[in-house]
Amino acid sequence: DVKVTQSSRYLVKRTGEKVFLECVQDMDHENMFWYRQDPGLGLRLIYFSYDVKMKEKGDIPEGYSVSREKKERFSLILESASTNQTSMYLCATRDSLAKNIQYFGAGTRLSVL
Amino acid sequence: AQSVTQLGSHVSVSEGALVLLRCNYSSSVPPYLFWYVQYPNQGLQLLLKYTSAATLVKGINGFEAEFKKSETSFHLTKPSAHMSDAAEYFCAVCPPGAGSYQLTFGKGTKLSVIP
Repeated sequence: DVKVTQSSRYLVKRTGEKVFLECVQDMDHENMFWYRQDPGLGLRLIYFSYDVKMKEKGDIPEGYSVSREKKERFSLILESASTNQTSMYLCATRDSLAKNIQYFGAGTRLSVL
Repeated sequence: AQSVTQLGSHVSVSEGALVLLRCNYSSSVPPYLFWYVQYPNQGLQLLLKYTSAATLVKGINGFEAEFKKSETSFHLTKPSAHMSDAAEYFCAVCPPGAGSYQLTFGKGTKLSVIP
């Protein structure tokens, strides 16, 4: 079974803090993704990485950055957290050999106060 | 550009009744299509996928979906709802081919099952 682990299930941060969300996968997948999920808006892609040290902006990259130094780990960084970044954040990996299936972590629910 | 529309943000059915969740897509070429389910406080789990083989696709937990190119639809059905089916369901689309990275998701449909 594919395992995608997000380091925290719940986080509470203050406005202006630098926030790191970590995601680790154990399946040697090249592609990894960060989404945010908001009620009524579905999932929106923030950034994705198609290989180590490679990244591409998704649909809503503003206010976020990412880091992929090792294949198994993909980090989402909020340089200066704001209240409108309060959301559920989901990490996913893609199995390029299996018709583009993505596998998701359990999510991190971030509250910015 | 591709897009996905899920009709109905909330659907309620009685236990034992038919489940029908609607998904329509917009794409210039026949895409790959997916249904994911999200149980409370969990990530998304793949229910089933269409990747240009059989148009009727069977998934886990008794769900199935039919790809209808003429209607640009990929509706999800289950003959008899169970209480454990209560969850949020997402339809997603991506262009065919191994070089396509991105999934575009619908806004989700929350299914309630009434005892």
